[in-house]
Amino acid sequence: DGGITQSPKYLFRKEGQNVTLSCEQNLNHDAMYWYRQDPGQGLRLIYYSQIVNDFQKGDIAEGYSVSREKKESFPLTVTSAQKNPTAFYLCASSILPGLADEETQYFGPGTRLLVL
Amino acid sequence: AQKVTQAQTEISVVEKEDVTLDCVYETRDTTYYLFWYKQPPSGELVFLIRRNSFDEQNEISGRYSWNFQKSTSSFNFTITASQVVDSAVYFCALSEASNAGNMLTFGGGTRLMVKP
Repeated sequence: DGGITQSPKYLFRKEGQNVTLSCEQNLNHDAMYWYRQDPGQGLRLIYYSQIVNDFQKGDIAEGYSVSREKKESFPLTVTSAQKNPTAFYLCASSILPGLADEETQYFGPGTRLLVL
Repeated sequence: AQKVTQAQTEISVVEKEDVTLDCVYETRDTTYYLFWYKQPPSGELVFLIRRNSFDEQNEISGRYSWNFQKSTSSFNFTITASQVVDSAVYFCALSEASNAGNMLTFGGGTRLMVKP
């Protein structure tokens, strides 16, 4: 089945630790995105990537890093510099922006990150 | 700057009632796209509809209908004869055509509770 997978479903981080969230898609989408959702709030963009080996900061990139070595994969690392990482993280993908009707972003099931 | 406002944070209805979720947006672009997503308790965002700024026709899909009015910058969502399975958080979102990254700006969401 085509879709977006995120792992793990739950992730626990210790003080000072870096953790990496996985996002994989087999939709042949060019663009991928990472959003953060805090309880009772909307989603905020962390990073996005339109092509392999290129990515751009979103509204709240501080304390996060990403890589895009393959079209299918867009992992997000939450670094120790992120002082308040507890949140729900959602990955999305879309066909390359500019192709009119195909710009809809589709989302994965999310990863819930908790700080110990 | 773009902005999406969902003034209703929480709505509670009894099954079979009709319910309307409000969405008001702000943008300086003349070309933009509006979206509605559903987030059930599992957390994944489910795409419901995409509408571009040049298409003001209302749309109906089964029990769902959308009313887009540029004059009031609103894109409201109505569920007819609500069911318990409609209980979820619903997000309205905006993407501007001038935004090369196809980034979405989300409203804060409306939590809909449908009671049997």
